[in-house]
Amino acid sequence: AQTVTQSQPEMSVQEAETVTLSCTYDTSESDYYLFWYKQPPSRQMILVIRQEAYKQQNATENRFSVNFQKAAKSFSLKISDSQLGDAAMYFCAYRSAYTDKLIFGTGTRLQVFP
Amino acid sequence: EAGVAQSPRYKIIEKRQSVAFWCNPISGHATLYWYQQILGQGPKLLIQFQNNGVVDDSQLPKDRFSAERLKGVDSTLKIQPAKLEDSAVYLCASSLANTRVHEQYFGPGTRLTVT
Repeated sequence: AQTVTQSQPEMSVQEAETVTLSCTYDTSESDYYLFWYKQPPSRQMILVIRQEAYKQQNATENRFSVNFQKAAKSFSLKISDSQLGDAAMYFCAYRSAYTDKLIFGTGTRLQVFP
Repeated sequence: EAGVAQSPRYKIIEKRQSVAFWCNPISGHATLYWYQQILGQGPKLLIQFQNNGVVDDSQLPKDRFSAERLKGVDSTLKIQPAKLEDSAVYLCASSLANTRVHEQYFGPGTRLTVT
């Protein structure tokens, strides 16, 4: 069975600085997707970034980028130029290419200080 | 484009009572999901519908939870009778079928407190 592990329950960063959130996963499959979701206090899960396992190039979305290490089964999220609005829970998630089921980690709470 | 709608946003009930949640997916999205998110954990899939058929309900506690998606659009999730451990946020999500990525769009969730 696939598992997703986020070992950092909480992280903090100064506004305008850079922070990296860690995620590791376990799977025996070769074709899958990895996601980072943001969940603000409003509770709505918002997709931040997506990585397809067969693509070697790391995904980027404006200030958000990932470091995808397939062999190490590691998928970290880097947030550059952090903003107060980035404060939220961040969840790493895995999905097999053969099902729609998302498997989430336990989340990392990110605090951003002015 | 309207997002996924859920109601109510909050619900407080006593144990052994029943409760129902409603979800309206994004128009045209054939696939609908219900997730349970217990405090301090990530969401866990309870049930997945494709149109009005069930694709995966392997983690749905069927002795007390039920869900339906009549006409392949709106869906309701019911708990009867509720237990203290059912206190959680219930998230609904939807996605387009027949696309490789199947990106899921989430609603705002319903926070259930069982006392």
